[in-house]
Amino acid sequence: GAGVSQSPSNKVTEKGKDVELRCDPISGHTALYWYRQSLGQGLEFLIYFQGNSAPDKSGLPSDRFSAERTGGSVSTLTIQRTQQEDSAVYLCASSFRADTQYFGPGTRLTVL
Amino acid sequence: AQSVSQHNHHVILSEAASLELGCNYSYGGTVNLFWYVQYPGQHLQLLLKYFSGDPLVKGIKGFEAEFIKSKFSFNLRKPAVQWSDTAEYFCAVNGEGQGGKLIFGQGTELSVKP
Repeated sequence: GAGVSQSPSNKVTEKGKDVELRCDPISGHTALYWYRQSLGQGLEFLIYFQGNSAPDKSGLPSDRFSAERTGGSVSTLTIQRTQQEDSAVYLCASSFRADTQYFGPGTRLTVL
Repeated sequence: AQSVSQHNHHVILSEAASLELGCNYSYGGTVNLFWYVQYPGQHLQLLLKYFSGDPLVKGIKGFEAEFIKSKFSFNLRKPAVQWSDTAEYFCAVNGEGQGGKLIFGQGTELSVKP
């Protein structure tokens, strides 16, 4: 069956620009997560959506980062005024409730 | 705060050698534990997980892990590695009451020589 998909697969942007990253979770999965993977920091939790509950934003590194999940399905992670330290692979995962998370291929973001 | 520590940054083995990757976590309550693998050029995949019950869990491709509660450990083992096991391995923990979010270790890169 279809897995988690993310777009774009690669994004190159200039410092100061805004970027939007998209995640399509597995159909029927109620929970959606964003993580980022970078050389210095490993895999870090960013934000978590579960059903209609308020998202857990405890991992967002600054107020330049935000995410929304529309209709309980697709999610968009927005980074405003990108900085070079935002360069990383942004991973999305989904799960049914809090069970096993299935990861997408990621979006590699490069901020010049 | 939760944390996960993986003891080995890079492990190099020959084919048929036995593997054990260490993972220790810090959390005061009940945990769910996971090992994920990332093969070169591929996305993260679940190897195995522990939620409750038998502390020795078996996963895909001959991997197993043992949860030792008293040691806060969840070490990954395989009796005989293959060249195709070359990948990066991540231990992760989800603490009770933390929603579903995973806290990952730094990862261990495994290189298997043919």
